[in-house]
Amino acid sequence: QKEVEQDPGPLSVPEGAIVSLNCTYSNSAFQYFMWYRQYSRKGPELLMYTYSSGNKEDGRFTAQVDKSSKYISLFIRDSQPSDSATYLCAMKIAGGGNKLTFGTGTQLKVEL
Amino acid sequence: DGGITQSPKYLFRKEGQNVTLSCEQNLNHDAMYWYRQDPGQGLRLIYYSQIVNDFQKGDIAEGYSVSREKKESFPLTVTSAQKNPTAFYLCASSRQGNQPQHFGDGTRLSIL
Repeated sequence: QKEVEQDPGPLSVPEGAIVSLNCTYSNSAFQYFMWYRQYSRKGPELLMYTYSSGNKEDGRFTAQVDKSSKYISLFIRDSQPSDSATYLCAMKIAGGGNKLTFGTGTQLKVEL
Repeated sequence: DGGITQSPKYLFRKEGQNVTLSCEQNLNHDAMYWYRQDPGQGLRLIYYSQIVNDFQKGDIAEGYSVSREKKESFPLTVTSAQKNPTAFYLCASSRQGNQPQHFGDGTRLSIL
């Protein structure tokens, strides 16, 4: 079993929809959680970086962490065609050489 | 603009040949990382360096080598011992401590 599980999709939604992307994990030592967006043939771009359980909002993006359930989510409001990309979750333990463990990524397509 | 520059964007390797991928950053970050990305798999850590003249193996270091002679540079050599080198290679950097990693736009390596 992988330490981090992420549905690969593809996930297709209409423009303006609310998108929910999720990851589950098995290692309770993970303390820091990240969401990256990756366009085709490009490197991942950091969207959200969270530490504690709860919600963190940045514009149209909300990151949610539930450590008791070992579950994290990224919500995208008012989705746009420019949001079409692969979304990667990543997490790390405190210290540990800043080593990240990644999910496999969810491919999202927002259609006009 | 501050950022991470990877070159070349595309690289082809002949059988038995070593090739070197370049990674340069002007973010003044202490730590640098190399990842490999394959379809359907999460990013996997090859090597990382937290300080000049020091580096550690990641999860899949066999067939790869690195050097860290300057803070801003962390080249990766894919040696002939790496039997399955075709992949998308990503370089990242971060500040020390529990800080998020930022990525370059990758080098795609293929076998001739």
